Amino acid sequence: SQQGEEDPQALSIQEGENATMNCSYKTSINNLQWYRQNSGRGLVHLILIRSNEREKHSGRLRVTLDTSKKSSSLLITASRAADTASYFCADKETSGSRLTFGEGTQLTVNP
Amino acid sequence: EPEVTQTPSHQVTQMGQEVILRCVPISNHLYFYWYRQILGQKVEFLVSFYNNEISEKSEIFDDQFSVERPDGSNFTLKIRSTKLEDSAMYFCASSGYGYTFGSGTRLTVV
Repeated sequence: SQQGEEDPQALSIQEGENATMNCSYKTSINNLQWYRQNSGRGLVHLILIRSNEREKHSGRLRVTLDTSKKSSSLLITASRAADTASYFCADKETSGSRLTFGEGTQLTVNP
Repeated sequence: EPEVTQTPSHQVTQMGQEVILRCVPISNHLYFYWYRQILGQKVEFLVSFYNNEISEKSEIFDDQFSVERPDGSNFTLKIRSTKLEDSAMYFCASSGYGYTFGSGTRLTVV
């Protein structure tokens, strides 16, 4: 089974709207992280939420974690055209150091 | 802000050739990683490195791959005999409190 499955696969919204992306995972985690990737570029770390946290904010980003459902969501408020990118969740299991990435959500924010 | 630096940004190599991808992790980080992303697919873990040895590796990281920390600053990934399917973006990362990824090396095997 795949870990870090995300939905939707693609999301297109208008500037100023909110964007919500969801992620599921399958194992017990130490933390879950969200990354952004502009087309063909590197991974930019956005936010990390620990397994004992339920919600975290950073600027226009809000992340929630529901360990009972093994799911997380990323909310981007008041989106901008510059937010257009792929967004990935990545979970870190309680044992080991690897991150397991999801398939990603391609977000397009139309001006 | 500290960065993870990767060189080269793009490498083209002939099938069967050896390639070495280079990374300079953040200096006070203790864990180092290589990940890869085949075009259009998700990012996949290859290997983690701690205290001068491999701490974890995936099934992708077979005998064709090796990692080394030849000095106090560099961290390298070597692919001994490249195959067409090794074409991908390779990301180096290091971690302390959190992860920092480099901007990647795009490897094209022809």
